[in-house]
Amino acid sequence: DAKTTQPNSMESNEEEPVHLPCNHSTISGTDYIHWYRQLPSQGPEYVIHGLTSNVNNRMASLAIAEDRKSSTLILHRATLRDAAVYYCILGNYGGSQGNLIFGKGTKLSVKP
Amino acid sequence: EAQVTQNPRYLITVTGKKLTVTCSQNMNHEYMSWYRQDPGLGLRQIYYSMNVEVTDKGDVPEGYKVSRKEKRNFPLILESPSPNQTSLYFCASIGLAEMHNEQFFGPGTRLTVL
Repeated sequence: DAKTTQPNSMESNEEEPVHLPCNHSTISGTDYIHWYRQLPSQGPEYVIHGLTSNVNNRMASLAIAEDRKSSTLILHRATLRDAAVYYCILGNYGGSQGNLIFGKGTKLSVKP
Repeated sequence: EAQVTQNPRYLITVTGKKLTVTCSQNMNHEYMSWYRQDPGLGLRQIYYSMNVEVTDKGDVPEGYKVSRKEKRNFPLILESPSPNQTSLYFCASIGLAEMHNEQFFGPGTRLTVL
C-alpha cells in the first residue's frame, strides 16, 4: 500500500491559515488523495479529496503538487473546533475496496 | 440526517463472554466496514462487506465475525472476547458508486475486555 508522511504535530493561532503538508512519493496514477480528521472522542470525519487538480470545498482546500508526490491541506481560518488529528490517506479502490489506510496523522493544536 | 450509528458506545465485559456491537446506516450504502483504533497503531480494518450476504476479511480479522443480512446493518460479533480486543471500534459506510468519495464513520464503541 502506498504510504504517506506527515509531521507529527503542528500549532496554529486562531483565525490564521494553516497549511498541513503530506508527502506521498510512491503514489500511483490511480491513487486518490483523501484527508480525514478526527476530533477528540469522535470518529474520523471526511475533509476533502482530489486526484490531480486542486480542490476547494466549504471546509478546506487541497493543493496537489504537479508531480502528485506531495499535497497540502489548507484551512483558511483556523478555529478552535479545527483542533484535531488530520490524516492524509491514499485511496486506490481496486483491491481491498474502501479500505482507508490511516497513518499516524498530524495533531493540530489551535491557540486562541 | 445521513449517519452511521453504533451501539453500545461503551462496553466493559469479561473474557469469553460473547458480545455484539451493532452498526446501522441510513444512506442505502452498499459498502460497510469495521475498524479498530489502538494507540500507536492507527485505524486498522477488521472486516468489510460489499453488499448483502457478501463479507470479507480486512487486515486484522482474527477473533471477530460479522454478518450482513440487511443492507443497513453490519454487526460486529466477538464470540469469545479477550483482553487484546480492548480497543476503540468504528463502523464506516460508503456507496459503491462513489468509492473515492466520502466515507461516513460512526461515533465509535469503546470496548474494554477484563
